[in-house]
Amino acid sequence: NAGVTQTPKFRILKIGQSMTLQCAQDMNHNYMYWYRQDPGMGLKLIYYSVGAGITDKGEVPNGYNVSRSTTEDFPLRLELAAPSQTSVYFCASSRPPTGVDEQYFGPGTRLTVT
Amino acid sequence: TQLLEQSPQFLSIQEGENLTVYCNSSSVFSSLQWYRQEPGEGPVLLVTVVTGGEVKKLKRLTFQFGDARKDSSLHITAAQPGDTGLYLCAGVLSNDYKLSFGAGTTVTVRA
Repeated sequence: NAGVTQTPKFRILKIGQSMTLQCAQDMNHNYMYWYRQDPGMGLKLIYYSVGAGITDKGEVPNGYNVSRSTTEDFPLRLELAAPSQTSVYFCASSRPPTGVDEQYFGPGTRLTVT
Repeated sequence: TQLLEQSPQFLSIQEGENLTVYCNSSSVFSSLQWYRQEPGEGPVLLVTVVTGGEVKKLKRLTFQFGDARKDSSLHITAAQPGDTGLYLCAGVLSNDYKLSFGAGTTVTVRA
C-alpha cells in the first residue's frame, strides 16, 4: 500500500497562474480532505469529499476548486494563484468517520506564489 | 481564532527531561486526537481519546482527556531526540465529524 500520495512535492507559481495539486489513495477510503498548513496556524480544511461525485466546502475554500470522479483521486485546483495561497497543502483520507477514525495524510505539496 | 488553543507554541528541552503540552477549548468534543508531524511529512496519528477523564499511555507518552471533554494534555517522560517534532491536537465537535486542528507545539529535544 502506498497510502496517500501527492504530486508535485514543490511548486513555484507566478501570480495569476493556475495549477492542479494531485492526490491519490489506495486504501479504498470514501472520505478525502484537503488542508493547508501555514506557520503557527495549524491545518485548515479547504474542501472535503464523502465519496465519488460528492464534495463540500471546508473552512477556507475561496480560490480553490475540487472534483471527485473516482474513489481514489481527489485533485485540488487553484485558479488565478495569489500570494495568500503560498502554503503547504496536505491531502488526507479516512474511512467514514465515527469521530475516532484516523486520518491518513500525504507528504504534502509546498507551494510558493510570487 | 482557533477552536483549539495549544500551549506552549515552542518547547526546547534537554534529553531526559519531562514535558507537557496542553490543548484547550471552550467547546465540548466527542473525541480528541494527537498527531505528530516531522519536517517534510504529513501528520501521523498518535492516539485518540473519547471518554472524559480518559488516560492513555503509549510507551513514554501519556495522554489525558479532560473530564468535561474540553481539554487534553500530552506528557512525555524522559524525552529523547527522536521525540522532536510538531505535536498537533485535533478534535471532533459533538455535532460534527470533521477535525478541527490546534496550531501545534514545536518540541525540540537536545541531545
